[in-house]
Amino acid sequence: GENVEQHPSTLSVQEGDSAVIKCTYSDSASNYFPWYKQELGKRPQLIIDIRSNVGEKKDQRIAVTLNKTAKHFSLHITETQPEDSAVYFCAASIGGYQKVTFGTGTKLQVIP
Amino acid sequence: GAGVSQSPSNKVTEKGKDVELRCDPISGHTALYWYRQRLGQGLEFLIYFQGNSAPDKSGLPSDRFSAERTGESVSTLTIQRTQQEDSAVYLCASSAARRPHEKLFFGSGTQLSVL
Repeated sequence: GENVEQHPSTLSVQEGDSAVIKCTYSDSASNYFPWYKQELGKRPQLIIDIRSNVGEKKDQRIAVTLNKTAKHFSLHITETQPEDSAVYFCAASIGGYQKVTFGTGTKLQVIP
Repeated sequence: GAGVSQSPSNKVTEKGKDVELRCDPISGHTALYWYRQRLGQGLEFLIYFQGNSAPDKSGLPSDRFSAERTGESVSTLTIQRTQQEDSAVYLCASSAARRPHEKLFFGSGTQLSVL
């Protein structure tokens, strides 16, 4: 089955700096890659996603890139703010097969 | 309700007891997922429902775990003869997307502690 690895497990950045979280997946058939944000004590929420026919997607300060050949995708957060502090999960799934496999999470701390 | 509701929010039980966790998905959401999140770890897939059928039960850790769903409504996850390693947050998610694996809406989870 699909295996998703995520790095780093923890990340500390100064407010205003950029943060990058990387994930790799094992199943080349995976074609949908969402990112979820889980603030402390709260439920995970979808923040951005990308399909395999797209190499990059942006939404304000966040962007996701996908390299299908290397089977890895990354989350980029620019101009980080304290409210970006949370645990971020990447995931991969195959269209038509509804299982969503998550990475182990990255705890991001933005230092004011 | 406005979101996915899970109950109880916290459950403390003794080893060997059975527990039942409940999930109320967002009204109209046909797809429902159960995940387990151990402390400091990722989201471990348990089971997926489309309507009241479960096409993918591959994540259930053992035969002590079972789940059912009534129509396109409430789901219950039952753990029999609980063990300490069952301690975790159990998250439920639902989706109305045309492709259900997209845009999951999560509940707040049930924190299960097995003593």
